Amino acid sequence: KNQVEQSPQSLIILEGKNCTLQCNYTVSPFSNLRWYKQDTGRGPVSLTIMTFSENTKSNGRYTATLDADTKQSSLHITASQLSDSASYICVVSEKDGGFKTIFGAGTRLFVKA
Amino acid sequence: NAGVTQTPKFQVLKTGQSMTLQCAQDMNHNSMYWYRQDPGMGLRLIYYSASEGTTDKGEVPNGYNVSRLNKREFSLRLESAAPSQTSVYFCASSEYLGSSYNEQFFGPGTRLTVL
Repeated sequence: KNQVEQSPQSLIILEGKNCTLQCNYTVSPFSNLRWYKQDTGRGPVSLTIMTFSENTKSNGRYTATLDADTKQSSLHITASQLSDSASYICVVSEKDGGFKTIFGAGTRLFVKA
Repeated sequence: NAGVTQTPKFQVLKTGQSMTLQCAQDMNHNSMYWYRQDPGMGLRLIYYSASEGTTDKGEVPNGYNVSRLNKREFSLRLESAAPSQTSVYFCASSEYLGSSYNEQFFGPGTRLTVL
């Protein structure tokens, strides 16, 4: 069964610190992987997308990495800000010519002053 | 542009009552989706519409019906609500159906409680 597992479930860091969130998946055949940010009470918003051939993708202070061989991805947040407090969701899509997208349960990040 | 809008934002129902969740997008997208989000779980697809005039079941369609009213609007109906349908419901849209590169844009969600 295709799955997307994220760790940790939740994380508390101090403002200004860096952190890394993990995503492991078993989706096959693989098409692409997205990281979404979901603020409390809002819908998810896409941060990055990576295909099989891409190892790294940055969006400001957010850097996503992908290792398609080990089926692992990480999202690194640099110099965290209070506004980074949110859930971060890893989403993996199958390459089947149709439509199949699997969402991870998310990592809840709390950034404290 | 408002993007994807959903109404209502909050709703409380009694078991057995019915209701319709409304969704509209102003991005001229062809494909629209309904998801539910439960604590500790990823978003799960209820129904989707590849294009105007078509709808298909997703992962968890039981107890729900949908209508693609036109290209802009996609509604989700609960005919006889059950406590297991207590959840946050998200509508999303994308330019086309498919797994490659198509970013889904999400609405703000509807928080539904069934007593």
